[in-house]
Amino acid sequence: SQQGEEDPQALSIQEGENATMNCSYKTSINNLQWYRQNSGRGLVHLILIRSNEREKHSGRLRVTLDTSKKSSSLLITASRAADTASYFCATSEPNAGKSTFGDGTTLTVKP
Amino acid sequence: GAGVSQSPRYKVAKRGQDVALRCDPISGHVSLFWYQQALGQGPEFLTYFQNEAQLDKSGLPSDRFFAERPEGSVSTLKIQRTQQEDSAVYLCASSPTGTVNSPLHFGNGTRLTVT
Repeated sequence: SQQGEEDPQALSIQEGENATMNCSYKTSINNLQWYRQNSGRGLVHLILIRSNEREKHSGRLRVTLDTSKKSSSLLITASRAADTASYFCATSEPNAGKSTFGDGTTLTVKP
Repeated sequence: GAGVSQSPRYKVAKRGQDVALRCDPISGHVSLFWYQQALGQGPEFLTYFQNEAQLDKSGLPSDRFFAERPEGSVSTLKIQRTQQEDSAVYLCASSPTGTVNSPLHFGNGTRLTVT
């Protein structure tokens, strides 16, 4: 069973536009992470936000976390064709050693 | 090596055969995780190790699945008497610490097809 659910399942935009993906989860968390996966490859870590943080930036990425709503969003600004991939959120619960992934958002950026 | 290495990259097995999937984590990484990813879905947790100790195997689907990491480095995921529903990509990830606050470093996975 999956802890996180990403929304939308699929997103198609033009190069240069911004892309926003959302993640909702069910239980208390220690942190939330976002990963990218290109077709046929493993996942690549993008950003980690702890439960006591509300916003974090890394380059063109901006992540927000609202623990009262149990949700997070990933914003990719000025998208590029190379951003085409699936994006997954993963949550880690307190006292659990593992991270639990959602089913991802497939992002297509058209040149 | 620079990253997590998994072998083989692809494996085709006939139903009923046993398979062994190997993971070489990043040198010095304490934690090692196995995930199963079905087509179009996110990774599902199988099991994880801290050094050689298997701390959680709650995600293993059945007793046909077995994982080991005897020296706290290389890990092997073994599936006995494979079934068609075992067809998936098996991902290995390692982490430098024993806490969940470190990012996971994934290999490219082993795609298992059971015919």
